[in-house]
Amino acid sequence: ILNVEQSPQSLHVQEGDSTNFTCSFPSSNFYALHWYRWETAKSPEALFVMTLNGDEKKKGRISATLNTKEGYSYLYIKGSQPEDSATYLCATHGGGGNKLTFGTGTQLKVEL
Amino acid sequence: DSGVTQTPKHLITATGQRVTLRCSPRSGDLSVYWYQQSLDQGLQFLIQYYNGEERAKGNILERFSAQQFPDLHSELNLSSLELGDSALYFCASSVTGENSPLHFGNGTRLTVT
Repeated sequence: ILNVEQSPQSLHVQEGDSTNFTCSFPSSNFYALHWYRWETAKSPEALFVMTLNGDEKKKGRISATLNTKEGYSYLYIKGSQPEDSATYLCATHGGGGNKLTFGTGTQLKVEL
Repeated sequence: DSGVTQTPKHLITATGQRVTLRCSPRSGDLSVYWYQQSLDQGLQFLIQYYNGEERAKGNILERFSAQQFPDLHSELNLSSLELGDSALYFCASSVTGENSPLHFGNGTRLTVT
C-alpha cells in the first residue's frame, strides 16, 4: 500500500443496521491514524486519533481498531441512525513524511 | 464551532490574479495545516506549519506559498491563478502535530473565472 485507501467508497444501510469501513495505509514508518466525520456543507470533525498497534477507541456507538503491522484500521458504527449519514475519512502520518494524508472517504447513507 | 477562523468565505477572481487566504488557528494550537479540495477530489495536503516553521510539504504548486506568523495565524498565497485552482481551501489546526486531532475551519471557496 503506497497511499491511504478506504473501502467501500459508499454504503447505504437501513436505520438500526451495524456497519463497518476499512482504512488501509502504508505500515512502514507509521506514526498515527486519524478518523474524521464529514457532514455535507460542514467541515470535517475529528473522531479518533490512534497511535498504538491494537488500539481500540470508542465514542458512543462508533468505535475503531488499529493494526499497524498490517496497515489497516476499521471503523464500526453500531445501530446506525440517519444522523450518522456523512463521509468518514481516515488519514495517516507516516510512510516517510510528516504530512497527514487523507483517504478519499467512505460515504455512508442511513435510510429510514 | 471548531475555533478555527478562515477568511474570506468566498472569493471570486480572474485568471492570472493573486489572492491571499487567511487562517486563525484555535487558541493554544501551534500547528496549522492547509488542504485543497477540488471538485470530486479528496482533501489534498498542501503544507503544514508548526510554531512558525514549515513542518511538512505536500504537492504544493510553486505558484502557491504560505507562512505562519508569530501570532500563529497563517496565510496561503495563490498567484498566477488558473481555472484549475478553483477549489475549497481548508485550514486546520492542532495542538502539536501528529498525535493531535485536527480542527478544521469552514473553508474558503475560491472561484477563478
